[in-house]
Amino acid sequence: NAGVMQNPRHLVRRRGQEARLRCSPMKGHSHVYWYRQLPEEGLKFMVYLQKENIIDESGMPKERFSAEFPKEGPSILRIQQVVRGDSAAYFCASSPVFVYEQFFGPGTRLTVL
Amino acid sequence: AQRVTQPEKLLSVFKGAPVELKCNYSYSGSPELFWYVQYSRQRLQLLLRHISRESIKGFTADLNKGETSFHLKKPFAQEEDSAMYYCALSAQGAQKLVFGQGTRLTINP
Repeated sequence: NAGVMQNPRHLVRRRGQEARLRCSPMKGHSHVYWYRQLPEEGLKFMVYLQKENIIDESGMPKERFSAEFPKEGPSILRIQQVVRGDSAAYFCASSPVFVYEQFFGPGTRLTVL
Repeated sequence: AQRVTQPEKLLSVFKGAPVELKCNYSYSGSPELFWYVQYSRQRLQLLLRHISRESIKGFTADLNKGETSFHLKKPFAQEEDSAMYYCALSAQGAQKLVFGQGTRLTINP
């Protein structure tokens, strides 16, 4: 089991462009979580998804951010019209059903120029 | 709202010395508490959780509901313990984790 995969590992965008971050959960895991880590801060929860459903998006900014976890394929975190303040490390985690432990991916470091 | 506080951003101890990483939380219900660790160039991984009451790599952590604390302790630090440590909380019935800011632990030879 290769673990949680995230790509790209590094992403550079100019202000106003779109950023798409991908997360492939571990095999057999149906729950996906996205966290954001700003410089010098801890990880902040963004969204929790199960296949085809958003369960908790209480940490998602109201505008420009969206997430999906389709029936087939990876989970996608999409940031439209990026701004410099979106520069951060974005971590994805996955877990099986009814298990507390979350397994983390290596993160995607987004830099907005 | 839940909150996790790790008061020390940096902690440096000598090899063989005891180490304690502090974690305080704010939550009115019954929390699930965790310690996650990130070694250099590795991904974040679970070290231990209070519900299992385990000792992992010599580390233990006791939930003190009176002081709302979940400090991580090890009696004799080793150089390979150098890493970033995050305390995290999961509220009752919730899946998301609330993280502290992290403590960078450095073990000096």
